[in-house]
Amino acid sequence: SYELTQPPSVSVSPGQTASIICSGDKLGDKYASWYQQRSGQSPVLVIFQDSKRPSGIPERFSGSNSGNTATLTISGTQAIDEADYYCQAWDSSVVFGGGTKLTVL
Amino acid sequence: EVQLVESGGGLVQPGWSLRLSCAASGFTFDDYAMHWVRQAPGKGLEWVSGISWKSITIGYAGSVKGRFTISRNNPKKSLYLQMNNLGPEDTALYYCAKDIAGEITGDNNFDNWGQGILVTVSS
Repeated sequence: SYELTQPPSVSVSPGQTASIICSGDKLGDKYASWYQQRSGQSPVLVIFQDSKRPSGIPERFSGSNSGNTATLTISGTQAIDEADYYCQAWDSSVVFGGGTKLTVL
Repeated sequence: EVQLVESGGGLVQPGWSLRLSCAASGFTFDDYAMHWVRQAPGKGLEWVSGISWKSITIGYAGSVKGRFTISRNNPKKSLYLQMNNLGPEDTALYYCAKDIAGEITGDNNFDNWGQGILVTVSS
């Protein structure tokens, strides 16, 4: 079965840029999405179709996808961005990555 | 405002059945695919099942195929998940999620989620 691999944790200082990667075989040939899940809350879609932002998502969130890696980039990271982030793609069915805990130090 | 409200969860014994429901409001329910996604305590997200807008296309995760059945009632704006032969591995918070599209394709994205309903399977 298809697997998406994410680092368990990423740390970033406020105001800096955070990059969270998601790896999968030929992931660049598929669409990648990203979800933010703050503690105790339901997930929120922040990026879909590799790089599109749903309405209401701040411009500091961006995405890219090429080769075997999709990347979620958060520019000017704020304390409210501290959350778990999950990548998602499709390979015969919906697949989620294991999640990355973003800590804003 | 889109609202998705799950119900029907609870504590059951291994081997028992449970039926989850999701009541939708604030959007044209008939136009969108719908999904169930679960999250075991302290773990990541796992897609469980999805159903297209007209119920023509249905998909299941391998872990639930043959035990779970997804369905929808468009006039009632409701989504369901019939879960049979439950095991401890099914213990999780179950989310109802709205797709941005009407079909189950290679591009499914979940733009609205309910608060989740807890299912606990234990003897």
